[in-house]
Amino acid sequence: GDSVTQMEGPVTLSEEACLTINCTYTATGYPSLFWYVQYPGEGLQLLLKATKADDKGSNKGFEATYRKETTSFHLEKGSVQVSDSAVYFCALMYNAGNMLTFGGGTRLMVKP
Amino acid sequence: NAGVTQTPKFRVLKTGQSMTLLCAQDMNHEYMYWYRQDPGMGLRLIHYSVGEGTTAKGEVPDGYNVSRLKKQNFLLGLESAAPSQTSVYFCASSPPLRQGTEAFFGQGTRLTVV
Repeated sequence: GDSVTQMEGPVTLSEEACLTINCTYTATGYPSLFWYVQYPGEGLQLLLKATKADDKGSNKGFEATYRKETTSFHLEKGSVQVSDSAVYFCALMYNAGNMLTFGGGTRLMVKP
Repeated sequence: NAGVTQTPKFRVLKTGQSMTLLCAQDMNHEYMYWYRQDPGMGLRLIHYSVGEGTTAKGEVPDGYNVSRLKKQNFLLGLESAAPSQTSVYFCASSPPLRQGTEAFFGQGTRLTVV
């Protein structure tokens, strides 16, 4: 079946450091790919998405590129802030499907 | 700006007790979902609904029942709670899933079964 694998956390960085959170997926077709973020005490919210190969999603300084050849959708940010501390989830969804499939989540902690 | 609202936010149950979690959305979304979130396992789909009066099983449906009597509400029931159901439960809603459709999540319900 379809699955999403993320690097395990927690990831601890100093402010202004570079961030990469790896995400790879296993799927039989061509899903849409998402990154959701969960801030402390809150529900998940969409951070960015890409719907086809080579698309780049971006938001709030975060970026991720849909790489079909490596089945990956790694999340990157050039300079993290303390306010980026959260849990990040990679997810996939098929067009006209009925569900999102999530990875295990990666906790990011940014220290001043 | 309510979006998706879950009730209650916290609950402690004794083994064998029953309870119902309520999810309400005000975005007129067709699809609604219940997920559970466990450490290191991400979110796993329990049940979902693609419209009023319809429900379907997700990845981990055992021990749960759901109902969607009104379009805006999706109820999750535990008939006889077990410690293995200790988790954080999230409700979500979305339009019919198409390419890149966003799902909107509630703030979660933290349930502890002792």
